[in-house]
Amino acid sequence: AQSVAQPEDQVNVAEGNPLTVKCTYSVSGNPYLFWYVQYPNRGLQFLLKYITGDNLVKGSYGFEAEFNKSQTSFHLKKPSALVSDSALYFCAVRDGYSSASKIIFGSGTRLSIRP
Amino acid sequence: EADIYQTPRYLVIGTGKKITLECSQTMGHDKMYWYQQDPGMELHLIHYSYGVNSTEKGDLSSESTVSRIRTEHFPLTLESARPSHTSQYLCASSEFVGAPLDEAFFGQGTRLTVV
Repeated sequence: AQSVAQPEDQVNVAEGNPLTVKCTYSVSGNPYLFWYVQYPNRGLQFLLKYITGDNLVKGSYGFEAEFNKSQTSFHLKKPSALVSDSALYFCAVRDGYSSASKIIFGSGTRLSIRP
Repeated sequence: EADIYQTPRYLVIGTGKKITLECSQTMGHDKMYWYQQDPGMELHLIHYSYGVNSTEKGDLSSESTVSRIRTEHFPLTLESARPSHTSQYLCASSEFVGAPLDEAFFGQGTRLTVV
């Protein structure tokens, strides 16, 4: 079965420092990977996705993610963190290519950026 | 801004009452989802739909039911609410056009409290 794992419940970073939020995946075919962000009292917002092509994917709010097939990882990164980046981040995978496929989410990582 | 709407945003209701959480999208998406999320916790897929007259159970067992009579509408119903149903319910939709380019768009969520 397809799955994603986010090994860290919480990541703490000082403002201005680079940040990484980790995600590993397990799929039987080609991975279709996503990152979403959830700000307090708001719905989930799409950040970026990897379908095929360049391993470095750029998304919203200055975030990017690096797809690494050999390590089955899709870590979210940002060169310089902002306090406003503090939120709950979810990695997700689409469990196939057919019309029956669905999106499966990881357990989430709470990112806290201190001033 | 994604055109997917959930009503109500907040609902407090007594045990034993029947409730329906509404979800509508104006993007013409075939696929719709319901996720259950406790505050700051992971998302659990409880229902999804490929299109009109299609409904499937998700990964987390739920006493709720769904219907998909129209493309744009995917209501979730609890016949008899219980305190254990207290949670946040997130509706999402995505497009499938023969290529996995379909990230999900989320509504703002319904926070349900059963007293």
